[in-house]
Amino acid sequence: AIVLNQSPSSIIASQGEKVTITCRASSSISSNYLHWYQQKPGAFPKLVIYSTSYRASGVPSRFSGSGSGTSYSFTISRVEAEDVATYYCQQGSSNPYTFGAGTKLELK
Amino acid sequence: EVQLVESGGGLVQPGRSLKLSCVASGFTFNNYWMTWIRQAPGKGLEWVASITNTGGSTYYPDSVKGRFTISRDNAKSTLYLQMNSLRSEDTATYYCTRVRGNNYPYFDYWGQGVMVTVSS
Repeated sequence: AIVLNQSPSSIIASQGEKVTITCRASSSISSNYLHWYQQKPGAFPKLVIYSTSYRASGVPSRFSGSGSGTSYSFTISRVEAEDVATYYCQQGSSNPYTFGAGTKLELK
Repeated sequence: EVQLVESGGGLVQPGRSLKLSCVASGFTFNNYWMTWIRQAPGKGLEWVASITNTGGSTYYPDSVKGRFTISRDNAKSTLYLQMNSLRSEDTATYYCTRVRGNNYPYFDYWGQGVMVTVSS
């Protein structure tokens, strides 16, 4: 199984700050196969970025993604209060489809 | 508006069975693969089962293979998860999700989730 290592496991940021989360895969995967989700406290997950860099419908432009091979990143250019959540990467390259352990974003 | 509404969760003893349902609306159900994903309390996300749009093929991780069965009734726009031989480690919130990008699957819509607790 492809293991996805996310870092950091938690971030404390100020409003307006730029934050970046890294997702490293145990095997190289095509950029088509790496996706990101946001899960706000007490809610179900929501798709944010698919295929490395494409924003899902209705997702603000402050969210972006990049990467290739085994290293991918997810960036919020200017954090807002509503972005407090746990973020997960996910690979659709091979069965079993796996998720990273999550990165919890909190506001300072 | 796409909606996925799960039901059927609850408290069940180890070794027993439970069947989850997910009623879909707002899209043409028989055009999409569907997937169940679970989340243990305070933990991350785990893919549980996927099914093609026709129901002709199903996929499972080793952790549930042989115990769980995913199925669908396209006439009723309903997805199912039959869970047998339940274990304490199956305790989780189970989410019904719609699949996009069948060759590189991601999950673009999620239900609100249904809780399954396996305990004596």
